[in-house]
Amino acid sequence: AQSVTQLDSHVSVSEGTPVLLRCNYSSSYSPSLFWYVQHPNKGLQLLLKYTSAATLVKGINGFEAEFKKSETSFHLTKPSAHMSDAAEYFCVVNLSGGYNKLIFGAGTRLAVHP
Amino acid sequence: DAGVTQSPTHLIKTRGQQVTLRCSPKSGHDTVSWYQQALGQGPQFIFQYYEEEERQRGNFPDRFSGHQFPNYSSELNVNALLLGDSALYLCASSLRGLAKNIQYFGAGTRLSVL
Repeated sequence: AQSVTQLDSHVSVSEGTPVLLRCNYSSSYSPSLFWYVQHPNKGLQLLLKYTSAATLVKGINGFEAEFKKSETSFHLTKPSAHMSDAAEYFCVVNLSGGYNKLIFGAGTRLAVHP
Repeated sequence: DAGVTQSPTHLIKTRGQQVTLRCSPKSGHDTVSWYQQALGQGPQFIFQYYEEEERQRGNFPDRFSGHQFPNYSSELNVNALLLGDSALYLCASSLRGLAKNIQYFGAGTRLSVL
């Protein structure tokens, strides 16, 4: 069975400092992995996706994530946080080869302080 | 190019009533998936429609049903509403349901059951 574990429910950083949001996955198949962001009262927006190409994936707004098969991890990072990055972040796995059924982690709420 | 649109944005119902939520997919997309996001949790997959048929279903009771129309738009119906059905309902569209294809989300319908 496929599952996703986001290791931190809340992360707080100061503006201009690095961001690290941790995600571990479990999948019997070669997974497709995504990070989505959800701002208050807005829909989910795709930050980046991994689909078995390069293991280091660059996304929008300066975010990137590295797929590590040996560690079954897909952590999201950003070198320097902005106030506008404050939101809920979801790590998502999708079964490769099957229909598009997304399995979401519980989410990590990122707070950015001045 | 309009993205995924959902209506209504907010809805208030009482226990036992029935509700219908609507979704128009992004232009060019033929697959619609529905998710339920309870407060403080990640979205959970309800079901997916492709070629006007339900292709996959998550762990939701039969009170949850859906439909896809020839123009690819979709409805989610929930019968005999329970207090626990209160949530944000998200619609996502994609192309042909392939795992590698990105799902684009609407802003959701906030359902409150009193």
